Amino acid sequence: DAGITQSPRHKVTETGTPVTLRCHQTENHRYMYWYRQDPGHGLRLIHYSYGVKDTDKGEVSDGYSVSRSKTEDFLLTLESATSSQTSVYFCAISWDRATGELFFGEGSRLTVL
Amino acid sequence: QQQVKQSPQSLIVQKGGISIINCAYENTAFDYFPWYQQFPGKGPALLIAIRPDVSEKKEGRFTISFNKSAKQFSLHIMDSQPGDSATYFCAATGGSGTYKYIFGTGTRLKVLA
Repeated sequence: DAGITQSPRHKVTETGTPVTLRCHQTENHRYMYWYRQDPGHGLRLIHYSYGVKDTDKGEVSDGYSVSRSKTEDFLLTLESATSSQTSVYFCAISWDRATGELFFGEGSRLTVL
Repeated sequence: QQQVKQSPQSLIVQKGGISIINCAYENTAFDYFPWYQQFPGKGPALLIAIRPDVSEKKEGRFTISFNKSAKQFSLHIMDSQPGDSATYFCAATGGSGTYKYIFGTGTRLKVLA
């Protein structure tokens, strides 16, 4: 299994509070991604990174920000959580876009009350 | 143009039968088409992938059929087993300068013993 650790794995929070999810990799892969998974929507890209301090928006980036200060860490922040952000969040890594293979973490389940 | 449409949403197959999941895309710049398998509580994992220069790729009981002119591709699972019960996602990526993988909405497969 690829060395990807997501934390926390489960979190319950209240509307309006800030939340940060962490993705840590030990593979030294260049590319890192945050997806959310919701029934009927599959996996939707939130943000991605193509290097340290190089990030870009995905298809559902509103309400989310990211940071990548080191190769191994990619943080996803919800500045003010809303109930619509209740979801399962997956981090993924890839060493080369051309090869296509994404390695996923085991997910972080977030519930916003 | 960025969508990947997947069907059916759910599928029930008898043990030993053939499972077929279909996907259609619009963006002709896509050049890599993977299928991911996800078991409950786990992150998705790459199952099999194809590039548009071939019409079929087979790995064990899993086959991807690719129709470039119709912009469609499908996953066939031969001799389906209860252990194949999972959610399957098709995806597409490619095009100049992109690092984005677009996923279908997923198919929940159940193989009856």
